Amino acid sequence: GDSVTQMEGPVTLSEEAFLTINCTYTATGYPSLFWYVQYPGEGLQLLLKATKADDKGSNKGFEATYRKETTSFHLEKGSVQVSDSAVYFCALSDRTSYDKVIFGPGTSLSVIP
Amino acid sequence: EPEVTQTPSHQVTQMGQEVILRCVPISNHLYFYWYRQILGQKVEFLVSFYNNEISEKSEIFDDQFSVERPDGSNFTLKIRSTKLEDSAMYFCASKGGGGGATQYFGPGTRLTVL
Repeated sequence: GDSVTQMEGPVTLSEEAFLTINCTYTATGYPSLFWYVQYPGEGLQLLLKATKADDKGSNKGFEATYRKETTSFHLEKGSVQVSDSAVYFCALSDRTSYDKVIFGPGTSLSVIP
Repeated sequence: EPEVTQTPSHQVTQMGQEVILRCVPISNHLYFYWYRQILGQKVEFLVSFYNNEISEKSEIFDDQFSVERPDGSNFTLKIRSTKLEDSAMYFCASKGGGGGATQYFGPGTRLTVL
């Protein structure tokens, strides 16, 4: 079945460092791809999404590009802030009518001043 | 901006008791979902619901679980006889359109089974 793999954390970075969180997926069709963020003690928020190959999703300085040839959707940010400390989940949906979301295991990011 | 809401935020129950988790999806949405996240683990799909019936369910969603849309606004998840391993964060989600539409998640209900 469809699945998502992402780099294991925790990841600790200094403020203003460059962030990359790797994500790869396995899917039989042409999924939509997402990054969700979960701040401490809160629920899931959609960070960005891409629905077709070569699409770039972006939000709050974060970016990810849908790479069909490498089945990847890596998350990047040029300069992280302390407020970016959270757990980041890569996810896909199979774009059928009901399209459940399949999540990766999550990557915990801590940004230190 | 419209949002999915869930109540209660935290539910504590004794093993073997029934619990009902409540969700109010975004008002014009048609597809509804429940997911769960055991502490420190990934978010797992439980069930999807469309047109007043279950459209898909996971292996986790056994006979102890049921879902209902009792009126035009609420969407509930019932666990008939809770087990210790049901302790988790339960997320409700909804979406408006068909394939490819974005699901919006609620803040979650933390269920603790003692």
